[in-house]
Amino acid sequence: RKEVEQDPGPFNVPEGATVAFNCTYSNSASQSFFWYRQDCRKEPKLLMSVYSSGNEDGRFTAQLNRASQYISLLIRDSKLSDSATYLCVVNEGATNKLIFGTGTLLAVQP
Amino acid sequence: GAGVSQSPRYKVAKRGQDVALRCDPISGHVSLFWYQQALGQGPEFLTYFQNEAQLDKSGLPSDRFFAERPEGSVSTLKIQRTQQEDSAVYLCASSLDWGYEQYFGPGTRLTVT
Repeated sequence: RKEVEQDPGPFNVPEGATVAFNCTYSNSASQSFFWYRQDCRKEPKLLMSVYSSGNEDGRFTAQLNRASQYISLLIRDSKLSDSATYLCVVNEGATNKLIFGTGTLLAVQP
Repeated sequence: GAGVSQSPRYKVAKRGQDVALRCDPISGHVSLFWYQQALGQGPEFLTYFQNEAQLDKSGLPSDRFFAERPEGSVSTLKIQRTQQEDSAVYLCASSLDWGYEQYFGPGTRLTVT
């Protein structure tokens, strides 16, 4: 079983749609959580950190449920420019290494 | 300012050749990481340096993989006797210090034929 699991998609949605991505992690000792965005043939870039209290950045909302070891990302009012792979990422703390999910591919259609 | 840079951006090696991949971190960044990303997968951790000290090399897949950062700045990932399964994008990331955001370089795409 992979340490971080997410649905690979693809998610094909029309512009303006709301889309939700989910992710689970196996190590209960994990300390910090992130969503990264990766465009085709580019490097991953930090989209946002994820906190238990939930956090919002414009059209993006991230949520962490430590009890269920579950992380989510909600994108409202999808834009064509949101098309990318979204990577769920966990930092186990002790080692400071990032553990990535396989990524979920989002394609926003005009 | 300048981000993380990596060279070469693309490398084609014949099976059995040795390769060396270079990473120039952001100036002043203490922590440096190497990740391997196979097609259709997320990046996987290889190794981690704090200054010149290699504190974690648990992700290196075999003893053919070797990384160094002798002066605590530039790092080199060396792969000896390359195999086809080594074909992947090798990503370098740096961070200001332990626990800070990791910034990724553009990667080196290695193809072993």
